[in-house]
Amino acid sequence: KNQVEQSPQSLIILEGKNCTLQCNYTVSPFSNLRWYKQDTGRGPVSLTIMTFSENTKSNGRYTATLDADTKQSSLHITASQLSDSASYICVVSGDNAGNNRKLIWGLGTSLAVNP
Amino acid sequence: NAGVTQTPKFRVLKTGQSMTLLCAQDMNHEYMYWYRQDPGMGLRLIHYSVGEGTTAKGEVPDGYNVSRLKKQNFLLGLESAAPSQTSVYFCASSYMDYLQAYNEQFFGPGTRLTVL
Repeated sequence: KNQVEQSPQSLIILEGKNCTLQCNYTVSPFSNLRWYKQDTGRGPVSLTIMTFSENTKSNGRYTATLDADTKQSSLHITASQLSDSASYICVVSGDNAGNNRKLIWGLGTSLAVNP
Repeated sequence: NAGVTQTPKFRVLKTGQSMTLLCAQDMNHEYMYWYRQDPGMGLRLIHYSVGEGTTAKGEVPDGYNVSRLKKQNFLLGLESAAPSQTSVYFCASSYMDYLQAYNEQFFGPGTRLTVL
């Protein structure tokens, strides 16, 4: 069964600190992996998209890594800010062929950045 | 540019009532989508459209209908609302096939629907 699991479920950090969020997936065959940020009461916003051949991608203070062999991805947030408080969702795209042609959404990690 | 907009933002319905959610995008995107987001579940695709005049079923299409008469608009209809349709509904759009890498989906702000 295609699944995307994220950990931790929730996280509290102090402003200025770094943190790393984890995503494990069982989707196969696999096409690409995305990280989204969703503020409370808003729609998701794309942070990064990586294909199976990419190991890392950055977007400002956000850096995503991908290990397609172990089916793991991480999102590292550097020098956190209060505005980073949000849910971070890992999304995996199955291969375009056959029944795997869809996005599988994780449940997200809820991050709270405290002053 | 406004991006993706949705109306209404909130709505309360009684069981059996009908309503239409409107999604509009000003980015000239071909693909448009309707999702629902429920606690404890990832976003689930209801219906999508690959261009004006086309619609297709997603993962959870039962109880919903859609129409794409104009490229910029995508309507989601509930003919006879049920409590199980209480959810937050998101519309999204993308330039091309959302499954292809680098075809980013842009989401609207959501509609919170409660069915009593």
